[in-house]
Amino acid sequence: AQSVTQLDSQVPVFEEAPVELRCNYSSSVSVYLFWYVQYPNQGLQLLLKYLSGSTLVKGINGFEAEFNKSQTSFHLRKPSVHISDTAEYFCAVSLYNFNKFYFGSGTKLNVKP
Amino acid sequence: EAGVAQSPRYKIIEKRQSVAFWCNPISGHATLYWYQQILGQGPKLLIQFQNNGVVDDSQLPKDRFSAERLKGVDSTLKIQPAKLEDSAVYLCASSLDQLTLGTDTQYFGPGTRLTVL
Repeated sequence: AQSVTQLDSQVPVFEEAPVELRCNYSSSVSVYLFWYVQYPNQGLQLLLKYLSGSTLVKGINGFEAEFNKSQTSFHLRKPSVHISDTAEYFCAVSLYNFNKFYFGSGTKLNVKP
Repeated sequence: EAGVAQSPRYKIIEKRQSVAFWCNPISGHATLYWYQQILGQGPKLLIQFQNNGVVDDSQLPKDRFSAERLKGVDSTLKIQPAKLEDSAVYLCASSLDQLTLGTDTQYFGPGTRLTVL
């Protein structure tokens, strides 16, 4: 069975500070990995995804994530956050060669001035 | 490019009533997904269509939920009768279908927030 764990339900951080949002997954087969962001009253939109190749993936709005196969993790990072980054972030996995997606429970990032 | 459209945005009903949600995916997207997002949880897939065929409905409570995608374009999700635990945001998403399954970017609509009293 597949599962996605986002350990932190809420992460408060001050503006211009670095942030890391953690994501761990469990799967018996190879997976692809995604981070989506949900701004208030909007649908989810893709931040970045790891399909293959370099384990460091860069996405939109200055975010990046690193795939660590041995630790089954895909943590999201940003070196300096802005107020506008306040949103909920979802980690998701899909199974290799299947169009089926599993989402974590989300992490609310609250950027304070 | 127009995004995924959903209506209504909000719906309040009493338990045992019925309700329907509508979704219009991005033009040309073959795959359409319906997710249920309960407060404090991540989206959970209810049903997935490829064109007008069902690919996966393993987590759809079929005794009360139904969905259709006629002509492989827009889709409706119905709940009849509704229960209190159906209160959630219902998200529709679509994807283009890349050659390699599982690599698709999903494009989400704004969702329909359902409150069952």
